[in-house]
Amino acid sequence: GENVEQHPSTLSVQEGDSAVIKCTYSDSASNYFPWYKQELGKGPQLIIDIRSNVGEKKDQRIAVTLNKTAKHFSLHITETQPEDSAVYFCAAGDKLIFGTGTRLQVFP
Amino acid sequence: EAGVAQSPRYKIIEKRQSVAFWCNPISGHATLYWYQQILGQGPKLLIQFQNNGVVDDSQLPKDRFSAERLKGVDSTLKIQPAKLEDSAVYLCASGTLQNTGELFFGEGSRLTVL
Repeated sequence: GENVEQHPSTLSVQEGDSAVIKCTYSDSASNYFPWYKQELGKGPQLIIDIRSNVGEKKDQRIAVTLNKTAKHFSLHITETQPEDSAVYFCAAGDKLIFGTGTRLQVFP
Repeated sequence: EAGVAQSPRYKIIEKRQSVAFWCNPISGHATLYWYQQILGQGPKLLIQFQNNGVVDDSQLPKDRFSAERLKGVDSTLKIQPAKLEDSAVYLCASGTLQNTGELFFGEGSRLTVL
């Protein structure tokens, strides 16, 4: 089955800096890779996703890149803001196996 | 558009007691999922429904957990008897496409087993 590893587990940045979170997956048949943001006391919310037929996708300050050969994908957040502070999860596979999460803290 | 509704938000029980969680998905969503999220970990899929049929329950501890989706809409997840390691947040999610597509999560039901 699919196995997803995510790092770092915590990430602290200054407001305005960029943040990068990386994930690796094991099942080469996986073709859908979403990123979810979870704020305290709430359920995860989809922020961006990518399918295996593209290498990069952007949505304003957020971008995701996918390297199918290396079986890894990354979340890039530019110009970070305090409201970006949350736990971010990557996921992969048709059963949506989640990574262990990255706690992002953006300091003003 | 109303989101995924879950209840109760919090529940505290003693081990060996039973508990039930309820989920009302977004109207029209065919797929419904129950995830278990232990503190500090990512959500782990317990069971997936397509309408009122089970698609995947391979990770559901069937000796103590059960779930049903009545008439393809609401769903209940039951734990009986509960163990200490069942302490977690139980998240319900719904979606429109099987397997690949955005999932909409509820706020979860936090269970504490003493």
